[in-house]
Amino acid sequence: SAVISQKPSRDICQRGTSLTIQCQVDSQVTMMFWYRQQPGQSLTLIATANQGSEATYESGFVIDKFPISRPNLTFSTLTVSNMSPEDSSIYLCSVEYIIGQPQHFGDGTRLSIL
Amino acid sequence: QQPVQSPQAVILREGEDAVINCSSSKALYSVHWYRQKHGEAPVFLMILLKGGEQKGHDKISASFNEKKQQSSLYLTASQLSYSGTYFCGPPMGGNEKLTFGTGTRLTIIP
Repeated sequence: SAVISQKPSRDICQRGTSLTIQCQVDSQVTMMFWYRQQPGQSLTLIATANQGSEATYESGFVIDKFPISRPNLTFSTLTVSNMSPEDSSIYLCSVEYIIGQPQHFGDGTRLSIL
Repeated sequence: QQPVQSPQAVILREGEDAVINCSSSKALYSVHWYRQKHGEAPVFLMILLKGGEQKGHDKISASFNEKKQQSSLYLTASQLSYSGTYFCGPPMGGNEKLTFGTGTRLTIIP
C-alpha cells in the first residue's frame, strides 16, 4: 500500500503568518488532493494538485489563500497563507494511483492558529 | 450537494449488526466507503460500481442502488475494531473527485 509522508504533523502558528505543508509519496501517483477537516466534521476538498500546472480549486478556496505546488508525480505542497483562527483545522493530502481507484491519505497536519 | 448519511451516530454492543446509509441528491455512478478512527487518517474500505455489489472486508459489505442514488454499508457481528467514523464518498466532479458524506460515528462497546 501507499506510503505517504505528510509534514509537519502539527503546528501552532501566529495570526497573519503562513505555513507550508508537504506531502511526499513513495511512488508515482496520478492524482494528488488536498482536504480540510474541521474537528468532528467531514472532509472538504480544497483542490486537486496538478503536476506541472496550476491546481484546480473548489468553490470557496482560492489560490492566493491556499497556493499549491506539485513539481513532480510524488510530491506536493499546500501553503496556508495569512492565517487566522478560522484556518485552525486538520489538513490532509491524499493520492490516487489510478483515477477512480481508492484514495490513500496522509496522516494529516493539525494546525492551530493563535 | 454533500451526500447525507444516516444515522449520524450509533452505539452498538460487540456482536450486533449495523447499517449505514448514504443518500445523494445527484446521480451516482460509483461510491467509495472509508473509515476514520479518532486522530487517524481515513482508510479505504471498498468501492461499489454501478450495477454491482462488492464485499471489501470479512464482515463488512455494501450495496449500491444507482436509481435511488443511495448506498448502504452493512457491518455484521461488529467488533471493537469497527469503531470509528464512516464516510461515503461518491465521485461527483471531474477527474473522479470525491465528495464525502456527512459521516456516521460508530461506537462499539464490549
